[in-house]
Amino acid sequence: DTGVSQDPRHKITKRGQNVTFRCDPISEHNRLYWYRQTLGQGPEFLTYFQNEAQLEKSRLLSDRFSAERPKGSFSTLEIQRTEQGDSAMYLCASSSRGAGELFFGEGSRLTVL
Amino acid sequence: TQLLEQSPQFLSIQEGENLTVYCNSSSVFSSLQWYRQEPGEGPVLLVTVVTGGEVKKLKRLTFQFGDARKDSSLHITAAQPGDTGLYLCAGIQGAQKLVFGQGTRLTINP
Repeated sequence: DTGVSQDPRHKITKRGQNVTFRCDPISEHNRLYWYRQTLGQGPEFLTYFQNEAQLEKSRLLSDRFSAERPKGSFSTLEIQRTEQGDSAMYLCASSSRGAGELFFGEGSRLTVL
Repeated sequence: TQLLEQSPQFLSIQEGENLTVYCNSSSVFSSLQWYRQEPGEGPVLLVTVVTGGEVKKLKRLTFQFGDARKDSSLHITAAQPGDTGLYLCAGIQGAQKLVFGQGTRLTINP
């Protein structure tokens, strides 16, 4: 399967711990997006990369959140000092042509206790 | 404030019925997309509408883009249980960012 893959699929952590999610996009896609989705809501934009450059960050992305795409391939999203409000599904998507069509991974579900 | 408002938020109907869900905004979009999301999975693109007034059909699904490019609708004919899911509309904001509505959760009962 050469789709977008995310790891881990599920993460349960205690408040105050750090967590890191990984996203491997479709190999020829140069754009990579992170979204957050809470129950019953649509995905909310967090940030996106074109190759290794992070071009936009949402106000939702507080200073506890950091995303990287060091070699323009896979990306990581780290959340430091997690809070219960961080509990959500974190979705990664990739695209080859702007926001024309986004291909999503299955998401990483975070539960902060 | 949601940039894209979808209605209804929840819809539960019987197999065989027709339904329409709506996506509205006060902003003009260069294009709108419709995605379908099943539990535990990421959204999957169904269609992109680009031209005001455009109508696209995908089997029993008909998508329409409003003339002013501020709204869109999705009509499903003879709904089937396999149509159950979260339907999301999304518009491109700026040059690169896709923003989503809150979704319509559709349940088709056998």
